[in-house]
Amino acid sequence: DTGVSQDPRHKITKRGQNVTFRCDPISEHNRLYWYRQTLGQGPEFLTYFQNEAQLEKSRLLSDRFSAERPKGSFSTLEIQRTEQGDSAMYLCASSLTRGSATSTDTQYFGPGTRLTVL
Amino acid sequence: RKEVEQDPGPFNVPEGATVAFNCTYSNSASQSFFWYRQDCRKEPKLLMSVYSSGNEDGRFTAQLNRASQYISLLIRDSKLSDSATYLCVVNVWYDMRFGAGTRLTVKP
Repeated sequence: DTGVSQDPRHKITKRGQNVTFRCDPISEHNRLYWYRQTLGQGPEFLTYFQNEAQLEKSRLLSDRFSAERPKGSFSTLEIQRTEQGDSAMYLCASSLTRGSATSTDTQYFGPGTRLTVL
Repeated sequence: RKEVEQDPGPFNVPEGATVAFNCTYSNSASQSFFWYRQDCRKEPKLLMSVYSSGNEDGRFTAQLNRASQYISLLIRDSKLSDSATYLCVVNVWYDMRFGAGTRLTVKP
């Protein structure tokens, strides 16, 4: 399968625990994005990387959220001290851009990680 | 006001019907426009890009009016398999802004 993959697909955790999700983008894609989607809403942008550089992180929901893409390939999203309000689907997307940092391109989504915080 | 607004639906239509979805956006700097389809508990999948000149892909026609900041999607001869949530997406650089989606159910 050459699409975007995410792991795990489901995560149940207790409030206060830390969780980490992994995303593997389409192999030649240089941009990687994280989104959160809650029931009845469209995905909400959190952060994105171009290669290993995190070019936008002001939209991460709080300082409990952090993301990395150390070698410009896979990425991880960590949520520390989880809260019940963090329960959502966390989606990763990737795209290939040959333009500048301000260029737009089509994003392809992974299957998501569904987080439930008890 | 949300940056991307869609008809909330749901739309329940019989097979073969024509259905139209509307979407408005508030950021005049928006550069790219898309319709994504999302099946229940699945990831969004690109349906089609939207251009000012209008574009068609089989039974699907998308239209963009930049002056009115309005996007539409028309589905002709709807099929049972068209049942899904349709997400209007507006892009400024890397930033994709999604509408809340319009749910479509096509019934036999």
